[in-house]
Amino acid sequence: DTGVSQDPRHKITKRGQNVTFRCDPISEHNRLYWYRQTLGQGPEFLTYFQNEAQLEKSRLLSDRFSAERPKGSFSTLEIQRTEQGDSAMYLCASRPGQGFSYNEQFFGPGTRLTVL
Amino acid sequence: AQKITQTQPGMFVQEKEAVTLDCTYDTSDQSYGLFWYKQPSSGEMIFLIYQGSYDEQNATEGRYSLNFQKARKSANLVISASQLGDSAMYFCAMRVGGYSTLTFGKGTMLLVSP
Repeated sequence: DTGVSQDPRHKITKRGQNVTFRCDPISEHNRLYWYRQTLGQGPEFLTYFQNEAQLEKSRLLSDRFSAERPKGSFSTLEIQRTEQGDSAMYLCASRPGQGFSYNEQFFGPGTRLTVL
Repeated sequence: AQKITQTQPGMFVQEKEAVTLDCTYDTSDQSYGLFWYKQPSSGEMIFLIYQGSYDEQNATEGRYSLNFQKARKSANLVISASQLGDSAMYFCAMRVGGYSTLTFGKGTMLLVSP
């Protein structure tokens, strides 16, 4: 499969615990995005990487959230001290820097987080 | 600030009929891109169609076409000959800024009946 993959697909955790999600973009895509989608809403932008550099962060990304993309390949999103309001689908997307599919963001299947 | 508005929470259409899903947008930028994505119950966002702000022709992709009216700031999706598999959430989105982050609307749930 050559699409964007995310792991895990589902995560249930207790309030106060830390969680980490992983995204593997399409191999030749140097641009990577994280979005959060709550029930009944469209996805909301969280953060953007170009290669290994984190170039943009949304105000939604509180101090409890941190994202990395070491070596410009896969990315991780960590949430510390989870709260019930963090329950959502976390979507990862990637995009090439140039070429035929330049405008399109290719989305992964998402990680659904439930905080009890 | 950029904003996408989708005023139809839900739409019903019979199989083989055409349906239009509404989208209006607000931006002060001259250069922007408009997208439609489909999200089935499985959760994955599937790209359907793209329209650039400087494109003179309306975009088409198979059964999907985008009715782009720049002066009215609307970018409606038209699905011709609906199929049962078209039942899903549909999101309109706008590319903003140099990093091309997407701003999404709240979506429209489309149900196609036999």
